[in-house]
Amino acid sequence: GQQLNQSPQSMFIQEGEDVSMNCTSSSIFNTWLWYKQDPGEGPVLLIALYKAGELTSNGRLTAQFGITRKDSFLNISASIPSDVGIYFCAGREQGGSEKLVFGKGTKLTVNP
Amino acid sequence: EAGVAQSPRYKIIEKRQSVAFWCNPISGHATLYWYQQILGQGPKLLIQFQNNGVVDDSQLPKDRFSAERLKGVDSTLKIQPAKLEDSAVYLCASSSDLRSYNEQFFGPGTRLTVL
Repeated sequence: GQQLNQSPQSMFIQEGEDVSMNCTSSSIFNTWLWYKQDPGEGPVLLIALYKAGELTSNGRLTAQFGITRKDSFLNISASIPSDVGIYFCAGREQGGSEKLVFGKGTKLTVNP
Repeated sequence: EAGVAQSPRYKIIEKRQSVAFWCNPISGHATLYWYQQILGQGPKLLIQFQNNGVVDDSQLPKDRFSAERLKGVDSTLKIQPAKLEDSAVYLCASSSDLRSYNEQFFGPGTRLTVL
């Protein structure tokens, strides 16, 4: 089935730094979603994108739906310790089934 | 508003044993999803219900996995018999309806270890 390529796999940054991660697919997606998962918890939706080129912010988080509709990125500005966790991209393939396909995640560590 | 409830939170069994997980979705949510999340990977959809009917079970290993949502509210996922590769976190999620697939609310998951 469809798989999403998410990078980087992990990041180690200092508090206050900006972070960028991205996700690519081999086919066109009509929805891109970004989730955060804390240890022992289920994923929580951060940002949802529905149109090519769409740029959406949620506090210090900004995500964009790529023009080609095959990629998306998530930026976190001025990171803080509570940003620690695993960030997943997910999407719905155009013309595919209704189910969401998830990337493998980016594990973020923030050093105070 | 109460979130998605799952139990147990942890389960350790030996291979070839059976195990069952329970999920109670957010009140009023018609759509319920079961995902399998293997360590180091993203969640993978196993089965999706709309009320008490199955919408998608294309990725459910039906020789050993089964799920039901008889009254269209809570749901159980069963594995019989378990294999080592079934070790994973099993996440339940719900959304208000099929069109709200992106607005899925996840439970905390059940971490299964098969020895």
